[in-house]
Amino acid sequence: VVMTQSPLSLPVTLGQPASISCRSSQSLVSSDGNTYLNWFQQRPGQSPRRLIYKVSNRDSGVPDRFSGSGSGTDFTLKISRVEAEDVGVYYCMQGTHWPWTFGQGTKVEIK
Amino acid sequence: QVQLQQSGPGLVKPSQTLSVTCAISGDSVSSNSAAWNWVRQSPSRGLEWLGRTYYRSKWFNDYEVSVKSRITINPDTSKNQFSLQLNSVTPEDTAVYYCVRAAAAGTYDFWGQGTLVTVSS
Repeated sequence: VVMTQSPLSLPVTLGQPASISCRSSQSLVSSDGNTYLNWFQQRPGQSPRRLIYKVSNRDSGVPDRFSGSGSGTDFTLKISRVEAEDVGVYYCMQGTHWPWTFGQGTKVEIK
Repeated sequence: QVQLQQSGPGLVKPSQTLSVTCAISGDSVSSNSAAWNWVRQSPSRGLEWLGRTYYRSKWFNDYEVSVKSRITINPDTSKNQFSLQLNSVTPEDTAVYYCVRAAAAGTYDFWGQGTLVTVSS
């Protein structure tokens, strides 16, 4: 399954919202009824860190300015007000179809 | 809290074998509910799953098709760790290699710190 993110680069002003799109080449609705769409954040020099699982479930410790939404083949990660610590690359990843696959990444930077 | 600590050489010569080990704390490599994965990251390929090992009354391995002939992932229950071996490496195998836990359906939850492996003579 091919995961396509847009944009690939996202300059944002501090305090302003940001939105990243992720589209899959097949529906991510699993036979068990769940949609296994994840979002990861990779800060410079760090390993990826999961932010969101099953489309919209935030991990413990993830600020509530991050939210995930979508269904089927179209998904979105939103940051309500970008902070300096949000700089990095964001990846969507599908875990419905084997093998699990990642998007190309969206680089978020401060204008 | 699960922690994955990686170790291994950062430089490998072409045609030789790349080896990276991942030591687990806070979970067991023999867990009946987790799978232990290797994912690599390079500018050309992005994030790419390579393979996994997991225990469900016996040991199983799955490998990505493009590396299946060259890869081995082994669990070591005595040290609670697992390892990656990739044979016959070329410069295209230059990447950061991550060990990653999958403890629930459809998701990775914990990542190692990454090991940059450069293939060069």
